[in-house]
Amino acid sequence: NAGVMQNPRHLVRRRGQEARLRCSPMKGHSHVYWYRQLPEEGLKFMVYLQKENIIDESGMPKERFSAEFPKEGPSILRIQQVVRGDSAAYFCASSPETRGTDTQYFGPGTRLTVL
Amino acid sequence: GQNIDQPTEMTATEGAIVQINCTYQTSGFNGLFWYQQHAGEAPTFLSYNVLDGLEEKGRFSSFLSRSKGYSYLLLKELQMKDSASYLCAVRDHYSGTYKYIFGTGTRLKVLA
Repeated sequence: NAGVMQNPRHLVRRRGQEARLRCSPMKGHSHVYWYRQLPEEGLKFMVYLQKENIIDESGMPKERFSAEFPKEGPSILRIQQVVRGDSAAYFCASSPETRGTDTQYFGPGTRLTVL
Repeated sequence: GQNIDQPTEMTATEGAIVQINCTYQTSGFNGLFWYQQHAGEAPTFLSYNVLDGLEEKGRFSSFLSRSKGYSYLLLKELQMKDSASYLCAVRDHYSGTYKYIFGTGTRLKVLA
């Protein structure tokens, strides 16, 4: 059973370009979370999605950032017109449900560098 | 509001025992999780507590007191490979859904 997959693992963009980060949850998982982590800091919640639905996007910046989790295919975190402050590690996590002992399982992350 | 506090850094010696504390404030507590994260890698799940008391899993144990909003992670027989960040996270139930709130992590250095 493959774990959570993220690609690309490393992404370099120039200021003003778009960044697309992909996340394929574990098989059987229908809940996806995106987090951002700056160096030497903790994980900051960005968005929580289920298939075709955004459940909670309270951690997403209001502009330039969007996320989707279509019926088919991976979840996508999209950052438009990137700025240097967007440089960070972006982790995706998935879970089958959000009750009981079900925890989140994290992907390896995408490290975005904005030049 | 929601808040999680844990020490920023700790240092311990190989073979020793270390306790990493975490205090939290949430309105809809639905479980507390500990994760280990090595530098440059993804967090990996260590433990889960939802009821008061101690959960033991090999060299690692986790304790929860809901009335005090307090948890700790206990690592015994420390090994060099235990040098990592340890993240405390609380699952919060609100408006019919759930959110995981993470602390900033405790960087543990294990010295020979």
